[in-house]
Amino acid sequence: AQSVTQLGSHVSVSEGALVLLRCNYSSSVPPYLFWYVQYPNQGLQLLLKYTSAATLVKGINGFEAEFKKSETSFHLTKPSAHMSDAAEYFCAVWKAAGNKLTFGGGTRVLVKP
Amino acid sequence: SQTIHQWPATLVQPVGSPLSLECTVEGTSNPNLYWYRQAAGRGLQLLFYSIGIDQISSEVPQNLSASRPQDRQFILSSKKLLLSDSGFYLCAWSTDLLYGYTFGSGTRLTVV
Repeated sequence: AQSVTQLGSHVSVSEGALVLLRCNYSSSVPPYLFWYVQYPNQGLQLLLKYTSAATLVKGINGFEAEFKKSETSFHLTKPSAHMSDAAEYFCAVWKAAGNKLTFGGGTRVLVKP
Repeated sequence: SQTIHQWPATLVQPVGSPLSLECTVEGTSNPNLYWYRQAAGRGLQLLFYSIGIDQISSEVPQNLSASRPQDRQFILSSKKLLLSDSGFYLCAWSTDLLYGYTFGSGTRLTVV
């Protein structure tokens, strides 16, 4: 069975500092991986996805993520945090042929001025 | 373009009352449809998903049920709400999971 682990349910960063959100997956086959962002009282919005092309994936709002098969990781980064990045972030995995994504527990990001 | 509609946006219901949340998708055919719930501090919980009309899979035994009477309509229901049904309910659709899900804007349900 596949699963997704997000290390850290809460992350606090200063405005302008690096944002690093960790995601590790377990899968017996190469998965497809996604990062979503959720602002308060809103639905989830796709930030970026890895679908077996380039291992470094660039998304919206200046975020990027790198797929590392050897580490079974798909960590999300942004070089410089902005106040508008305060939100909850979810990592998700899909193993081809299934009908659903599996989500991690989410990481809430607080940006300090 | 494809859009997804969820309503109502907020709902306050007494314990024991019925529930009906509706989700509709426009601009696509034969989507997979999903209902998720977010309770405080509990992440995203998949409740139901559907790959076609009248084809519903239940992920978690509970006080809720789902129906798909039309291709692009997905309804979440309960006959008698419990306090534990409070949460943020999200509908999502996909036609190819290579592209992930598209989520609706959610319904905040408070059972009092």
